[in-house]
Amino acid sequence: EAEVAQSPRYKITEKSQAVAFWCDPISGHATLYWYRQILGQGPELLVQFQDESVVDDSQLPKDRFSAERLKGVDSTLKIQPAELGDSAMYLCASSSRHRRAFFGQGTRLTVV
Amino acid sequence: ELKVEQNPLFLSMQEGKNYTIYCNYSTTSDRLYWYRQDPGKSLESLFVLLSNGAVKQEGRLMASLDTKARLSTLHITAAVHDLSATYFCAVDLNQFYFGTGTSLTVIP
Repeated sequence: EAEVAQSPRYKITEKSQAVAFWCDPISGHATLYWYRQILGQGPELLVQFQDESVVDDSQLPKDRFSAERLKGVDSTLKIQPAELGDSAMYLCASSSRHRRAFFGQGTRLTVV
Repeated sequence: ELKVEQNPLFLSMQEGKNYTIYCNYSTTSDRLYWYRQDPGKSLESLFVLLSNGAVKQEGRLMASLDTKARLSTLHITAAVHDLSATYFCAVDLNQFYFGTGTSLTVIP
């Protein structure tokens, strides 16, 4: 069964350092999402891509976060510099035109 | 701004009992999804509800959607321990808006 691949699974970084996460969506899925989930809360959308174009990044803290999906396939989410409040689970999801979203295993980020 | 509220937030129930989790949302949408999340894990898709009156069932779980009332329910029948997890509803409005989650614990 096709899956959304994310790496790394876990990341510990020091405050003010740069960190990057990678996501490979299910083949053929044009829409890719990055969500952030703080412990005990529901996921919140950071950025949504349709192919290589950003559809919604209104909740992305653009002073420190960036996201790209250059060839409309895999995607990278970067944080620079990381802050303590960025500690969370970062989830990537993808969907086809029928819009059922499938989630990857996530990257758990701890900023120390 | 769309609000998606679930209740209860925490649910502790005995094995064999029935219970319903409610998901209310504040604006019109005819697409709603239910997900399950185990501790430290990602989200697993459970149900996709795409129209008013939609009902889906899988095992001991049944989900329904009333778009006029802006309400979805997730009904648990004869709960078993394996159902212990956090359940999220998500409303589709060109992006997914997730509810607050319901943490379910099934006690033997």
